[in-house]
Amino acid sequence: GESVGLHLPTLSVQEGDNSIINCAYSNSASDYFIWYKQESGKGPQFIIDIRSNMDKRQGQRVTVLLNKTVKHLSLQIAATQPGDSAVYFCAENSLSGYDKVIFGPGTSLSVIP
Amino acid sequence: DADVTQTPRNRITKTGKRIMLECSQTKGHDRMYWYRQDPGLGLRLIYYSFDVKDINKGEISDGYSVSRQAQAKFSLSLESAIPNQTALYFCATSDFARAQFFGPGTRLTVL
Repeated sequence: GESVGLHLPTLSVQEGDNSIINCAYSNSASDYFIWYKQESGKGPQFIIDIRSNMDKRQGQRVTVLLNKTVKHLSLQIAATQPGDSAVYFCAENSLSGYDKVIFGPGTSLSVIP
Repeated sequence: DADVTQTPRNRITKTGKRIMLECSQTKGHDRMYWYRQDPGLGLRLIYYSFDVKDINKGEISDGYSVSRQAQAKFSLSLESAIPNQTALYFCATSDFARAQFFGPGTRLTVL
């Protein structure tokens, strides 16, 4: 069945280091992927997205990589800061059908000062 | 001002009571969604609406109903609240083929 999952439920990184958060998806028909950040007590916040016709997309301090061969995407955060501590969700969307988004369970990132 | 707002932000109620959660958006999006979030279960879709006249059930719609009063307003009702509806509720909006944008959430506790 369709599913989006994360390899690690928790991740701890030293402030200033780079963080890599991974995500696996199972629906080969998915063609749009989104990363969200959720801080404690807040709603999920859009970080970056990528379409299946791309392998890489960069934002401010963040990069998303998509490997369609192994159905894997990752979120890289450069020079991780304490404010980056949050739960990160990947989500997949199939743009055919009714545009349903499937969310992964999330990875909790903790930044060690 | 926030693009997606939810009221109330926190609510404590008793079993059997009727509760309405409201969502408003200023993003001009046609699509609106209601999710609930429970620890360890992630986000689950309750209802979604692609325009004012189009409302659809999500994966966990039992015990809930919705009303799309206008393009900018989408409310969620619990007709007779029960304790296992205690959760964090999020409203979200999107354009077609674009990411969803979430409100700040409503923390609902049913005693």
